[in-house]
Amino acid sequence: DGGITQSPKYLFRKEGQNVTLSCEQNLNHDAMYWYRQDPGQGLRLIYYSQIVNDFQKGDIAEGYSVSREKKESFPLTVTSAQKNPTAFYLCASSEDRNNEQFFGPGTRLTVL
Amino acid sequence: GNSVTQMEGPVTLSEEAFLTINCTYTATGYPSLFWYVQYPGEGLQLLLKATKADDKGSNKGFEATYRKETTSFHLEKGSVQVSDSAVYFCALSKGSTLGRLYFGRGTQLTVWP
Repeated sequence: DGGITQSPKYLFRKEGQNVTLSCEQNLNHDAMYWYRQDPGQGLRLIYYSQIVNDFQKGDIAEGYSVSREKKESFPLTVTSAQKNPTAFYLCASSEDRNNEQFFGPGTRLTVL
Repeated sequence: GNSVTQMEGPVTLSEEAFLTINCTYTATGYPSLFWYVQYPGEGLQLLLKATKADDKGSNKGFEATYRKETTSFHLEKGSVQVSDSAVYFCALSKGSTLGRLYFGRGTQLTVWP
């Protein structure tokens, strides 16, 4: 079955540590996206990528980094520079810029 | 700029009641409009979409009509079920912005038996 997988489902991190969230898709989609979800604030775009080896900052990119070395993978690193990283992180992909996005199940990150 | 405003929740209804969740948007040109649903602890699922004015998107008994004159895309369902309890997000997309989605804040719906 085609879809988007995110791992792990739950992640705990100590302050000052970097952590990488995985996102993999086997839909052969060109575009991939990372969103952050906080209670009552909807979804905010962190980074997005339209093609391999290219990505753009979204609205809240500070303290995050990404890479797009393969079409199917778009990992997100939450660095120690992110002041308030505890949130629910959602990855999405779409066939091209005009199509709807398909979402993964999300990773809940908690900083201890 | 591009933005979406949807009615604040939570919305609490009895089973079989009529549902309306209001959504209005700001955008230049002709965006595509979407409703997504999120069940507890899960990612978002596309519920329905409309890509041009006067289009009606429908799925699982939910409907929404793209009204350009009122810049609205209200979600409706004639008879809700307990299983419809979730958070609903309205969103818009424009090809000129590389396919990114602009989301509303979400509306929590709880349906009681």
